[in-house]
Amino acid sequence: SAVISQKPSRDICQRGTSLTIQCQVDSQVTMMFWYRQQPGQSLTLIATANQGSEATYESGFVIDKFPISRPNLTFSTLTVSNMSPEDSSIYLCSVHGTGEAFFGQGTRLTVV
Amino acid sequence: AQKVTQAQTEISVVEKEDVTLDCVYETRDTTYYLFWYKQPPSGELVFLIRRNSFDEQNEISGRYSWNFQKSTSSFNFTITASQVVDSAVYFCALSEVEGTNAGKSTFGDGTTLTVKP
Repeated sequence: SAVISQKPSRDICQRGTSLTIQCQVDSQVTMMFWYRQQPGQSLTLIATANQGSEATYESGFVIDKFPISRPNLTFSTLTVSNMSPEDSSIYLCSVHGTGEAFFGQGTRLTVV
Repeated sequence: AQKVTQAQTEISVVEKEDVTLDCVYETRDTTYYLFWYKQPPSGELVFLIRRNSFDEQNEISGRYSWNFQKSTSSFNFTITASQVVDSAVYFCALSEVEGTNAGKSTFGDGTTLTVKP
């Protein structure tokens, strides 16, 4: 199993600012995944973060808006840049273990 | 492309009733994993069960049971004798196992279950 610590758990931010979300895993993993869950919606994959290479973004998500870092095999950050109220969501990081996907507790972001 | 469909958007039952949440999936992969998660109002995603594509054995865990039928691409979830604490959003998800998409999860839209006392 994998234990994922995600920080912050929640935040209220002003529009136009940026927030960086941290994800720490208790074991080394090759790939980490970032998801967004907008209010009342399902989870949507933002990008896949591989250590040592640039993140791979899904359709509709771009690096300028959601830059990702992956400095080592246990840590990743997702930045939500130039925020607007539409960015208010829960953001979750995830890793893939043997037969299971593990999720962090999520970051509940509110943009005002 | 993977797809997970949860046809029931909302379900409301009275406590002690049994309730089944439907999940139908689409994939071209022969190897994959299916999951059910519970998301209570607090927002945290709680893992309930995982099934791999080669294991069609049904599973029971307390009041929870799951019926996996590969022939119909369905992975349904039944709560027996529902309780108020079961009220939550339930997500069915499919995870790829192999290739460049290994580990990616595709989620259904979720079913909001309300259990009334």
